[in-house]
Amino acid sequence: DAGVTQSPTHLIKTRGQQVTLRCSPISGHKSVSWYQQVLGQGPQFIFQYYEKEERGRGNFPDRFSARQFPNYSSELNVNALLLGDSALYLCASSLRTSGRVNEQFFGPGTRLTVL
Amino acid sequence: AQKITQTQPGMFVQEKEAVTLDCTYDTSDPSYGLFWYKQPSSGEMIFLIYQGSYDQQNATEGRYSLNFQKARKSANLVISASQLGDSAMYFCAVHGSGNTGKLIFGQGTTLQVKP
Repeated sequence: DAGVTQSPTHLIKTRGQQVTLRCSPISGHKSVSWYQQVLGQGPQFIFQYYEKEERGRGNFPDRFSARQFPNYSSELNVNALLLGDSALYLCASSLRTSGRVNEQFFGPGTRLTVL
Repeated sequence: AQKITQTQPGMFVQEKEAVTLDCTYDTSDPSYGLFWYKQPSSGEMIFLIYQGSYDQQNATEGRYSLNFQKARKSANLVISASQLGDSAMYFCAVHGSGNTGKLIFGQGTTLQVKP
């Protein structure tokens, strides 16, 4: 079975631009979460979507937005990019949102560099 | 608010020996889950082991075991018979009883296995 897939793997943008990152969950998983991992730190929660509805939002500005499609894939959008948005963006999928079934399977990540 | 503290930025262990990676947590949720993930230099987060707050026994998964001490709010990861491939970053994370699926990660511990 295919794991979580993310595209693109690497991305270089300049300040002020907009970026869209994509994630496909494991087949059968209805929950997708997005995390930002700045170099040298642990991942920080950005969003969670379950059954196409936003279930949680981390402490990120409104420049960050996301959505989940009927096939449970998801997109993360970041507008007006700042240098500080340079990070590894991780997508994780899970069956549900709580308990043991919340075990989140992570994709390989998209490494975003903002110049 | 939930918090994870990993006090060991870096650890060294000799191949074939056991090593313990420390993790303390803070949460007000009556029910929670604790996770350990491994992150190799490739960036992908690999699930290792899970411990539920009401689980009676410490979790084990192959060479990984979790030393769960609820009263001390600690969830240390023990890796037995270390292998060179265990060299990576290790993250402890907590998930609360809320329905957001949000994981709170610590800062991580870099483990290097010496031949």
